[in-house]
Amino acid sequence: AQTVTQSQPEMSVQEAETVTLSCTYDTSESNYYLFWYKQPPSRQMILVIRQEAYKQQNATENRFSVNFQKAAKSFSLKISDSQLGDTAMYFCAFMKQRRGETSGSRLTFGEGTQLTVNP
Amino acid sequence: NAGVTQTPKFRVLKTGQSMTLLCAQDMNHEYMYWYRQDPGMGLRLIHYSVGEGTTAKGEVPDGYNVSRLKKQNFLLGLESAAPSQTSVYFCASRTINTEAFFGQGTRLTVV
Repeated sequence: AQTVTQSQPEMSVQEAETVTLSCTYDTSESNYYLFWYKQPPSRQMILVIRQEAYKQQNATENRFSVNFQKAAKSFSLKISDSQLGDTAMYFCAFMKQRRGETSGSRLTFGEGTQLTVNP
Repeated sequence: NAGVTQTPKFRVLKTGQSMTLLCAQDMNHEYMYWYRQDPGMGLRLIHYSVGEGTTAKGEVPDGYNVSRLKKQNFLLGLESAAPSQTSVYFCASRTINTEAFFGQGTRLTVV
């Protein structure tokens, strides 16, 4: 079974600064997806960024980027120029990339990191 | 485009009562999931479905049942609610090799 670990329950950052959220995972699979989801106080789950394991290039979405280290099974999220609206719970998630197999359909989440951006 | 819709958004139950949570998606997704979210524990998978007429157990299935009679709907049932089932419940759906799309969540309190 896959496991996802986020070792930072809470983090804070000053507005306009950069912060990095950590995520590690455990799997024997070689093909998979990794995601970061954001959950603001509204409770809605919002996709921030996704990474396909076969791609060596780190994914980037505007101020959000990842550092994907496949050998180390590490997937950290960097938020640049932090904004007050980035205050949210952030979840790292793992999903196998495989068709036609029920056990390969699960999306596994970490415990979450509560990020607070201070003015 | 409605995406994933959960009904109801809030509910208070008495211990022993039953209820059904409805999840509806209009994106023709094959996979659907029910998660519960508790403080410090992230999202834990209750049950999931890989297609119409199929269901499978997740990490924490005890006390819950599900059905997927139509591709667009995934129902989560609590036959005899317990205080330990107080939580926020999320439904999600996806197609093959894409990210999951989530509903807005249901806050359930069992007293």
